[in-house]
Formats: sequence, structure tokens, C-alpha cells
Amino acid sequence: AQTVTQSQPEMSVQEAETVTLSCTYDTSESDYYLFWYKQPPSRQMILVIRQEAYKQQNATENRFSVNFQKAAKSFSLKISDSQLGDAAMYFCAYRIQGAQKLVFGQGTRLTINP
Amino acid sequence: NAGVTQTPKFQVLKTGQSMTLQCAQDMNHEYMSWYRQDPGMGLRLIHYSVGAGITDQGEVPNGYNVSRSTTEDFPLRLLSAAPSQTSVYFCASSTRQGIGGYTFGSGTRLTVV
Repeated sequence: AQTVTQSQPEMSVQEAETVTLSCTYDTSESDYYLFWYKQPPSRQMILVIRQEAYKQQNATENRFSVNFQKAAKSFSLKISDSQLGDAAMYFCAYRIQGAQKLVFGQGTRLTINP
Repeated sequence: NAGVTQTPKFQVLKTGQSMTLQCAQDMNHEYMSWYRQDPGMGLRLIHYSVGAGITDQGEVPNGYNVSRSTTEDFPLRLLSAAPSQTSVYFCASSTRQGIGGYTFGSGTRLTVV
């Protein structure tokens, strides 16, 4: 069974600094996608960044980047120049290519200190 | 472009009552799903559909029914509400390929008393 583990229930960072959220997953598949979702207090689930497993290059979206280590089954999210608006729950998720199910980790609550 | 529309946003039910959570998407997505979110447990899959007329169970299907008569709509029915169903519910949709991830509705906070 596929599982996703986020080992940090809570993280905090000073505004303008960099923070890294950890995620590991377990799968025997070779073709899959990985995602980071942000859930602010508004409750909306917002896609932050995605990574195709077949791509060696790490995905980046502005201040957000990932460190994808396929052999280690690790998918961490780095947020640079943290802003107050980055405060939210962050969920790591996994999906086999072409399959329906999206498997979520337990989430990491990120606090930004001004 | 509305995306995924969920109604209602909030609901309080008494134990034993039934209700339907509505979900509609306008992106012509084949896949639709219902998740529930509970503290410390992430999002867990209740039911899903890979197309009109096709539904299947997820991780936590007990106490819920779904149907999908059209591509756009995927309602979730609570048959006889129980306090254990107090949760936040999300509807989501996706293309078959999945590369873009799922698009989520805004969620429904349900309280069963």
C-alpha cells in the first residue's frame, strides 16, 4: 500500500528566512506524481507545486522548490524568503500515474514569526 | 470558470438525520472524489468516480453513498448521520492523467450532534 509520511507536525520560521518541510513516501511504482498542497485558515486546498517522478530536475515555483530524491523516496518542500501569507497547513500527496487515488500525508502546520 | 463548487459550506445535523452534500465541476474532468479531513489524519478518501455511472469505495466509505449520473455532478449522501461523521468534507476533480493534481472545492464543515 502506498503511504505518505510527514514527520513534522509543526514548524515555525522567522519571516524572510528559509524553511524546509519533509515528506517521505512508500511505493513500488515507478511512474507517479508528487504534490504539495497548502491549506490556509480559509480551508481551501491550494496546489503549491508538483513533481513528475520521471523527471530528475527538481520542480520550482517562485519561492517554492522541492528536493526530490527518488531512490530515497523523499520529497521535501523548501520555502525561501518566508512571508506571513505562507502560514498554513502543508500536505504532501502522492498519485500513481493514471490512477485515481491521491494519498495524503498527515500535514505540517507552518507558522511564520514576524 | 467556477472550478469545483461545493454546497453547503457549513451544516449541523442531528444524529440519525440524512443529508446530501452537493459537488459540481465545470472543467470536464473524468475523475471526482470525496475526502474527509480530520485533525492529525490528513485527508482520507471516502468514495470516488472515474466517469459517469462508475463509482467505487475509498478508505472510509461506511455511512456514505454516492452516485454519478453526469460528468459534472458527484453528490455525497449521509444516510443516517453519526457524531463520528463530524468532519470537514472536500470534493475534488481531476483529469484522467492526473499530472495537474486534483482541484478541490472549498469544503463543507459538518457537525453531527
